[in-house]
Amino acid sequence: DIQMTQSPSSLSASVGDRVTITCRASQRISKWLAWYQQKPGKAPRVLIYEASSLESGVPSRFSGSGSGTEFTLTISGLQPDDFATYYCQQFNSYPYTFGQGTKLEI
Amino acid sequence: EVQLVQSGAELKKPGESLRISCQTSGYNFTRHWVAWVRQTPGKGLEWMGIFYPGDSDSRFSPSFRGRVTISVDKSITTAYLHWNSLTSSDSAIYYCARQARNVGPDYFDFWGQGTLVTVSS
Repeated sequence: DIQMTQSPSSLSASVGDRVTITCRASQRISKWLAWYQQKPGKAPRVLIYEASSLESGVPSRFSGSGSGTEFTLTISGLQPDDFATYYCQQFNSYPYTFGQGTKLEI
Repeated sequence: EVQLVQSGAELKKPGESLRISCQTSGYNFTRHWVAWVRQTPGKGLEWMGIFYPGDSDSRFSPSFRGRVTISVDKSITTAYLHWNSLTSSDSAIYYCARQARNVGPDYFDFWGQGTLVTVSS
């Protein structure tokens, strides 16, 4: 299985801040990575797919970059609605695997 | 509008069987893979397996192969996740999710609301 490692596990920030979350794959996955946001009691919601493509309806303050084994999710200008847990997921090969999550807190 | 609506919470005893459902609507059910994902506080999100209703192809994570099965009823565009014999370690929230495109590997663009399964004696 491909192991996905996110850092940091938790992050404190303020409204208006720019934050970056990193995801590292244990082997090369090209661009086959997605980022999801999850709020308590809710299902995950896709933000970014293919490492850098913004899903329809997702605010442009979210952006993704990277390829191979190193990926980042950046949120520019944090909004109150952005405080949530973020997960990366590789879909290069089965079994698709998720990172352990990054909790973004105020 | 694409929707995935899951069945309600379940409380079961160890050794019992269970089937939970994911009723879909708003898209061509036979043209998108449907996956099941487990979430626990300790292990986070775990991809369990995926099923293609168009030809009944499926893939499973080694961690779940043989422990669960996935089936569908195309007539009611519903996917199912089955256990023959539950254990306490199966207690979790289970999500179904639709793969965005039907060609090659892909991300999940729509998710069900989740089904809480509690296994306790």
